[in-house]
Amino acid sequence: NAGVTQTPKFQVLKTGQSMTLQCAQDMNHEYMSWYRQDPGMGLRLIHYSVGAGITDQGEVPNGYNVSRSTTEDFPLRLLSAAPSQTSVYFCASSYSPFRGRMNTEAFFGQGTRLTVV
Amino acid sequence: ILNVEQSPQSLHVQEGDSTNFTCSFPSSNFYALHWYRWETAKSPEALFVMTLNGDEKKKGRISATLNTKEGYSYLYIKGSQPEDSATYLCAFILYNQGGKLIFGQGTELSVKP
Repeated sequence: NAGVTQTPKFQVLKTGQSMTLQCAQDMNHEYMSWYRQDPGMGLRLIHYSVGAGITDQGEVPNGYNVSRSTTEDFPLRLLSAAPSQTSVYFCASSYSPFRGRMNTEAFFGQGTRLTVV
Repeated sequence: ILNVEQSPQSLHVQEGDSTNFTCSFPSSNFYALHWYRWETAKSPEALFVMTLNGDEKKKGRISATLNTKEGYSYLYIKGSQPEDSATYLCAFILYNQGGKLIFGQGTELSVKP
């Protein structure tokens, strides 16, 4: 199993450009999430999905779109990049916490370091 | 606003010292509390998932306790080693928030040889 695969690892964008961060998991997890990590702020939830076709906003959703057409994939789209979106982005997946499973911890991708100039 | 507070923000200890961190979270509608270990330039990795009041979990020299009534969890490291240097994150799930995992800002631990 590859686990959670994120691409690209690094990206530099100009202000106003758009791009998609890819995330795929092969563990048949229902839940997938995107977080951003900024100095001193831990991980902040951008968007999450509880299953194919279902997405919802997290703490900091503005400027980002997501979709979940398959169980495996959860891409994050930056519509018009801004310098405030310079950050490290992590995708995570897990089993649903509400189905009585024991192993509901989140598994993380390797992260994408995005710089917007 | 859903909030989880971790303290201290950072901690510097000598090898062999024992240490502990605190995670405070909303006690209403509590469902689960996670602890993660996050080494520099790597991804967070799960240490514990805890759901029941009074839960105690242990993995080697690391252990955690959970008090859901008052909304706090402690993480203990016995006899810290330099390889324990990392950021320790806690995160919670509430019943009425769709299962989303909300993280605290972390406690950065540095263990000097």
